[in-house]
Amino acid sequence: DIQMTQSPSSLSAFVGDRVTITCRASQGVENKVGWFQQKPGEAPKRLIYVASNLQSGVPSRFSGSGSGTEFTLTISSLQPEDSASYYCLQHSSFPRTFGQGTKVEIK
Amino acid sequence: QVQLVQSGAEVKKPGASVKVSCKASGYTLSNYDIHWVRQATGQGLEWMGVMNPSSGDTVYAQKFQGRVSMTRDTSINTAYMELNSLRSEDTAIYFCARGPRGWDIEEYWGQGTLVTVSS
Repeated sequence: DIQMTQSPSSLSAFVGDRVTITCRASQGVENKVGWFQQKPGEAPKRLIYVASNLQSGVPSRFSGSGSGTEFTLTISSLQPEDSASYYCLQHSSFPRTFGQGTKVEIK
Repeated sequence: QVQLVQSGAEVKKPGASVKVSCKASGYTLSNYDIHWVRQATGQGLEWMGVMNPSSGDTVYAQKFQGRVSMTRDTSINTAYMELNSLRSEDTAIYFCARGPRGWDIEEYWGQGTLVTVSS
């Protein structure tokens, strides 16, 4: 199975800060990674697909990059509504695997 | 618009089975895969498996092999996930989600179904 190691597990930042979350795959997954945001009591919401494509309707402050084994999700200017947990997901092979998640809090 | 609507919360005893439904609207169930993902309280997302509703083909995570069954009834545009031999560790919210054939998981998710396993 491909392991997706996500870091950090949690972070706290100020409104307006640039935030970066990383996922490292245990083997190459090309660009087959998506990023999801989940708020308490809600289903996950896809932000990024195929590593760097912004989901329609998602604010442009979110961006994704990477290929192979290292992927990043960046929030260019953190907003209060971005307080949530974030997960990466690889769809290069079965079983699909999620990162462990990153909880983002606003200072 | 595309929607996935899941069945309501369930309380089961250890050793029992649970069957969660996921009714699709706004598109034809057969045209996209259905993934099942679960989340224990305060924990991360765990992929359980995927079904091709057109063929009925499934791929399950090894952890659930032999205990999970993903099926569908295309006449009512509904997918099902049945988990057997329940134990307390299966207490979680179970989500269905849509994905293009053999690809990733899209933005369309069900609202989640809480399954509680307790004696």
